Amino acid sequence: GENVEQHPSTLSVQEGDSAVIKCTYSDSASNYFPWYKQELGKRPQLIIDIRSNVGEKKDQRIAVTLNKTAKHFSLHITETQPEDSAVYFCAASQTGGYNKLIFGAGTRLAVHP
Amino acid sequence: GAGVSQSPSNKVTEKGKDVELRCDPISGHTALYWYRQSLGQGLEFLIYFQGNSAPDKSGLPSDRFSAERTGGSVSTLTIQRTQQEDSAVYLCASSFPQGVNEQFFGPGTRLTVL
Repeated sequence: GENVEQHPSTLSVQEGDSAVIKCTYSDSASNYFPWYKQELGKRPQLIIDIRSNVGEKKDQRIAVTLNKTAKHFSLHITETQPEDSAVYFCAASQTGGYNKLIFGAGTRLAVHP
Repeated sequence: GAGVSQSPSNKVTEKGKDVELRCDPISGHTALYWYRQSLGQGLEFLIYFQGNSAPDKSGLPSDRFSAERTGGSVSTLTIQRTQQEDSAVYLCASSFPQGVNEQFFGPGTRLTVL
């Protein structure tokens, strides 16, 4: 089955710096890769996703890149702000009727003013 | 509109007791998923429902875990004879059916087994 590894487990940056979180997956059949943000005590919320027919996707300060050959994908946050502090989870799934997500272990991002 | 809701928000139980966790998905979402999040860990898939049927139960950790869904809406996750290792946050998510659609998560139920 699919296995997703996520690095780093914790990340501390200064406000205004960029943050990069990386994930690798094992199943070459996976073709959908969402990123969720979970603030302390809150539910996970989708912030961006990418499908395997696309190499990069951007949404304001957030971007995701996908390398299908190497089976890895990354989340990039530019101009970080304190409100970006949260746990970020990557996930992978195969789209074939339903969307069973296999999650990475999470990255705790701290943005210091 | 209303999002995914779950109840109770917190449940403390004694080892060996049975517990029921409830999920109310977003209206119109026929796909429903249960995940488990242990402390400091990622989300672990438990079971998937399409309507009232569960074509993928592969993530249920043992036969003490079961789930059902009625009327294509509310789902209940039941854990029998709870063990301390069952302590976790249980999250429910729902989405529109077929293919890739965003999963909307509920707030979760924090289960503590003493």
